[in-house]
Amino acid sequence: DIQMTQSPSSLSASVADRVTITCRASQNINTYLNWYQCKPGNAPKLLIYGASNLHIGVPSRFGGSGSGTDFTLTISSLQPEDFATYYCQQTYNTLWTFGQGTKVEIK
Amino acid sequence: QITLKESGPTLVKPTQTLTLTCTFSGFSLSTSGVGVGWIRQPPGKALECLALISWNDDKRFSPSLKSRLTITKDTSKNQVVLTMTSMDPMDTATYYCARFDTLPTTSYFDYWGQGTLVTVSS
Repeated sequence: DIQMTQSPSSLSASVADRVTITCRASQNINTYLNWYQCKPGNAPKLLIYGASNLHIGVPSRFGGSGSGTDFTLTISSLQPEDFATYYCQQTYNTLWTFGQGTKVEIK
Repeated sequence: QITLKESGPTLVKPTQTLTLTCTFSGFSLSTSGVGVGWIRQPPGKALECLALISWNDDKRFSPSLKSRLTITKDTSKNQVVLTMTSMDPMDTATYYCARFDTLPTTSYFDYWGQGTLVTVSS
């Protein structure tokens, strides 16, 4: 199995802050990397696919980068609706796996 | 408009078999590159991908759960059914179905159901 490790596991930030979340794969996954946003009681939402492609309807303050084993999700200016848990996911091998999540909390 | 909805029991007893149905609209499971997956999230824990079924009937399973899982599709009814045998309290989770699409450089879940909480308890 490919293991996905996110850091940090949680962070506190203020509105308008720039936030960066990293995700490391246990082996090369090229750009088979997606990011999702999860809020309690809601279905997960796709933010970024293929490491750097913004999903339709996702605000441009979200950005993704990386390839191989190291990836980054950046929120350029945190908004109140962005407080949530974020998951990376690899779709490189047979069954897809998620990271353990990064919870973004209000400072 | 693409929608998916999970249905099934909210409470199952240990050792029983869970059967969940995903009913979807707005896309066809006969379209190349498209499929449906099942993902679960235990309370306070991370997402876990359980099983995938593709337009061409290719099936994939979580290695740790493979012996307990079955996934089937009914293209004419726009449904995908997941069965999980030998349910245990550790299987208590919100179960989601989601559509996936496949590109040359990645695949991803782009539309999700709202999820259904399944509790395993005697």
